[in-house]
Amino acid sequence: KNQVEQSPQSLIILEGKNCTLQCNYTVSPFSNLRWYKQDTGRGPVSLTIMTFSENTKSNGRYTATLDADTKQSSLHITASQLSDSASYICVVILGNNNDMRFGAGTRLTVKP
Amino acid sequence: KAGVTQTPRYLIKTRGQQVTLSCSPISGHRSVSWYQQTPGQGLQFLFEYFSETQRNKGNFPGRFSGRQFSNSRSEMNVSTLELGDSALYLCASSLTASSYEQYFGPGTRLTVT
Repeated sequence: KNQVEQSPQSLIILEGKNCTLQCNYTVSPFSNLRWYKQDTGRGPVSLTIMTFSENTKSNGRYTATLDADTKQSSLHITASQLSDSASYICVVILGNNNDMRFGAGTRLTVKP
Repeated sequence: KAGVTQTPRYLIKTRGQQVTLSCSPISGHRSVSWYQQTPGQGLQFLFEYFSETQRNKGNFPGRFSGRQFSNSRSEMNVSTLELGDSALYLCASSLTASSYEQYFGPGTRLTVT
């Protein structure tokens, strides 16, 4: 069982709409959580990095939230654009050895 | 500043062969990490090198190995290729070991036939 679960697996939305992607994790000890955007055929690009004490962090139209008590994170995309079509990967970094646990990703498609 | 570069971008090999992939990190970055990405398993950590030393290693067989040179460039080698080794191999660089900020390269798409 994957220790970092992302939902939904895939999502299709219309251009201009908002959406929220979920990431739930069970691993510990927690160090930080990262959201990456990966375009098809390219390497992942970091969107946000959140430590234990951070609840919200924004990067343009992307806003990530973290609830370290419930071990849940979300990535909210506002006013989606066609270029937002990509896979979004949640990664949890463990605090003991900086081990990384990857979610399977959410495949977002934005249609005109 | 140039980003992370990986060569080659695409590679086709047959079972039993061996392959070497190369990664040049961002100038000044001393840590290089390697990942395997497949549709079924997603992203999986292979190993991390810092100052020519392997710092961390994922759960992969010994057929997967790597090294880092004094200029921080890194290579990974896969021997006795299997069909299941077909994947996108990603390299990421960071200033220091286990740094918060990692920058990924475009990857090498390896196909094993």
